[in-house]
Amino acid sequence: AQSVAQPEDQVNVAEGNPLTVKCTYSVSGNPYLFWYVQYPNRGLQFLLKYITGDNLVKGSYGFEAEFNKSQTSFHLKKPSALVSDSALYFCAVRDTTRGGGNKLTFGTGTQLKVEL
Amino acid sequence: SQTIHQWPATLVQPVGSPLSLECTVEGTSNPNLYWYRQAAGRGLQLLFYSVGIGQISSEVPQNLSASRPQDRQFILSSKKLLLSDSGFYLCACRRGSNTEAFFGQGTRLTVV
Repeated sequence: AQSVAQPEDQVNVAEGNPLTVKCTYSVSGNPYLFWYVQYPNRGLQFLLKYITGDNLVKGSYGFEAEFNKSQTSFHLKKPSALVSDSALYFCAVRDTTRGGGNKLTFGTGTQLKVEL
Repeated sequence: SQTIHQWPATLVQPVGSPLSLECTVEGTSNPNLYWYRQAAGRGLQLLFYSVGIGQISSEVPQNLSASRPQDRQFILSSKKLLLSDSGFYLCACRRGSNTEAFFGQGTRLTVV
């Protein structure tokens, strides 16, 4: 079965500094990986995905993520954090089980707090 | 692009009362549909998914059920709510194995 781990419950960073939100995955077959952001009492918004191709994936709002097969990681990054980036971030992996409905398995989430 | 409509946005229901949450999708056809529950503002638990009309797969045993009467309609129900059914319920839609999922804005259910 596939799984993702987000080892940090919370990440604090000062505005203007680079940020990294960590994600590692476990999946049989080729990994399809996703990052989502959630603001309070709202649904999840898609940020970016890795399916194939370049290991560095660029997404919405200046976010990017680096796929590292040897480390089974897909860390989310941004060169310069904004206060408005403060939110809950989820990493997800697609279920590769035959007949599994292509469902996504989510990590437990990382709360990002960007301070002035 | 796909749009997911969920309603109501918030709901307060007494223990033992029935539940019906509706999710409808616009902008796509024959999508995979999902119901997730988020407890305490953190992890997402997949409750049900559907790959077509009338086809429902349950991920965890529970007090809830789901139905898909039309291609772009997904309903979450309960005959008798429990306190433990409280949470934030999210409907999601996905079309294709390498595409992202789109989420509705969620329903905050409080069982009292």
